[in-house]
Amino acid sequence: QVHLVESGGGVAQPGRSLRLSCAASGFTFSNYGMHWVRQAPGKGLEWVAVTYYDGSQKYYADSVRGRFTISKDYSTNTLYLHMSSLRVDDTAVYYCGVWMTSREIDHWGQGTLVTVSS
Amino acid sequence: QSALTQPASVSGSPGQSIAISCTGTSSDVGGYNFVSWYQQHPDKAPKLIIYDVTNRPSGVSNRFSGSKSGNTASLTISGLQAEDEADYYCSSYTTSSTWVFGGGTKLTVL
Repeated sequence: QVHLVESGGGVAQPGRSLRLSCAASGFTFSNYGMHWVRQAPGKGLEWVAVTYYDGSQKYYADSVRGRFTISKDYSTNTLYLHMSSLRVDDTAVYYCGVWMTSREIDHWGQGTLVTVSS
Repeated sequence: QSALTQPASVSGSPGQSIAISCTGTSSDVGGYNFVSWYQQHPDKAPKLIIYDVTNRPSGVSNRFSGSKSGNTASLTISGLQAEDEADYYCSSYTTSSTWVFGGGTKLTVL
């Protein structure tokens, strides 16, 4: 069964960088696209980024484009989100998700909390 | 990338039916049949309950159904149960090859 486990969250100062990881298992990692979605405390879901199954196409939300980079490591079945120039409003729980069928997020991880504060 | 518009809250009694609307534009909801819906209980990860406007993943109750007309999609929950109390989010693929979520709707089962 599909299992996604995020890690790498924590406290970072504004302007600094942080890398999130999402360990994937239970499916063929190289066959599916994957997303990052975030949720600020007490707020709704915000889509962040997607990478297609082979990494050939990557798209970002306007709020993170140029600062965040999504990537896949096929040797370790791990999805990454490299976040730079962090801002206070990047504070959120970050979820990874896998896109398996059409244009939806079929399975989600449990999330990792990122807090940006001085 | 403006968020899709959902009502902040809806409520219903056990056994009743409720509907949650999700309004976008011709660049997202109206442009494709790629609307999905997610259920999120407090402090839990979201769960997919509807994809491609009307399709239910395996294991999701048939009390959940979806539809779309123009730029507005809807989620209907029939035979409300206490366990349905949760936050619900719509999402759509967009003409910019990105995704967008709605602001979320809190469902209260009275």
